[in-house]
Amino acid sequence: QVQLQESGPGLVKPSETLSLTCTVSGGSVSSGSYYWSWIRQPPGTGLQFIGYVYYSGGTNYKPSLTSRVTISVDTSKNQFSLKLSSVTAADTAVYFCARVGFNDYGFDPWGQGTLVTVSS
Amino acid sequence: QSALTQPASVSGSPGQSISISCTGTRSDIGDYNYVSWYQQHPGKAPKLMIYKVTNRPSGVSNRFSGSKSGNTASLTISGLQAEDEADYYCSSYTSSTLLVFGGGTKLTVL
Repeated sequence: QVQLQESGPGLVKPSETLSLTCTVSGGSVSSGSYYWSWIRQPPGTGLQFIGYVYYSGGTNYKPSLTSRVTISVDTSKNQFSLKLSSVTAADTAVYFCARVGFNDYGFDPWGQGTLVTVSS
Repeated sequence: QSALTQPASVSGSPGQSISISCTGTRSDIGDYNYVSWYQQHPGKAPKLMIYKVTNRPSGVSNRFSGSKSGNTASLTISGLQAEDEADYYCSSYTSSTLLVFGGGTKLTVL
C-alpha cells in the first residue's frame, strides 16, 4: 500500500526558508489520479491546508500563503517538496504530507508528520 | 477561505450515538459533495473515515456514517466505543479549487 514519509530540518531560524520533502513508496507521484498535498497543524490547534501539486507540476495554494509557499514534484525520485519562505514563530507546526484523490478530494494516506520549530 | 465550523467538543457514553456537525457555505459544502471526515488520536496522523459525504474507505467500521443537508455536513458514530475518543475534523472542496478544514471537535467517551 502507498506510504508517505516526511523529512527535513526540525529547527528553522526566523526569516529563513523551511524545506521539507515527502517520499512516496508503494505508489507513484506520476499517477494522474491524485494530487500531492501539504497540511500543517500548529501545536494544540487544528489542521491547516497549505496546498497541493499535480504530477505535471500544476499547483494550488492557500491564498494567505501564496506569496511564501512553493510545492514542487520530482517524479524521478518519487518525491514532492514544500518550501515556505520568511518563516516566523507562527509557522511552527507539525507538517504532514498526504495524497488527495482527484475524484473525491479525500486526504489518504497521510505521512506520520514532522515537527518544525521556528526559533533562533 | 474561512475554516468550516465544528463544535469544540461532544461527548457520549459507550453504546450511545453521537453526531458532529460541520457548517460551511454555498461555496464549499453547499455546492459540492466532496466532504471528508478524519479521526486523529493524540500524537498521530489523521485517518480518513468518510469521503464524498457518505462513503467509507475499506477497513473503516460501519459504525461511522456521514450525511449532508444544505451547507451542513454531519458525522454520526453509533455504538460509541472507548477507542472512538479522538479529535475529528471535516474538510470540503471549495469553489476556489482549494480544500478547507473544520476547526476540529474533541470527542470524549464518558
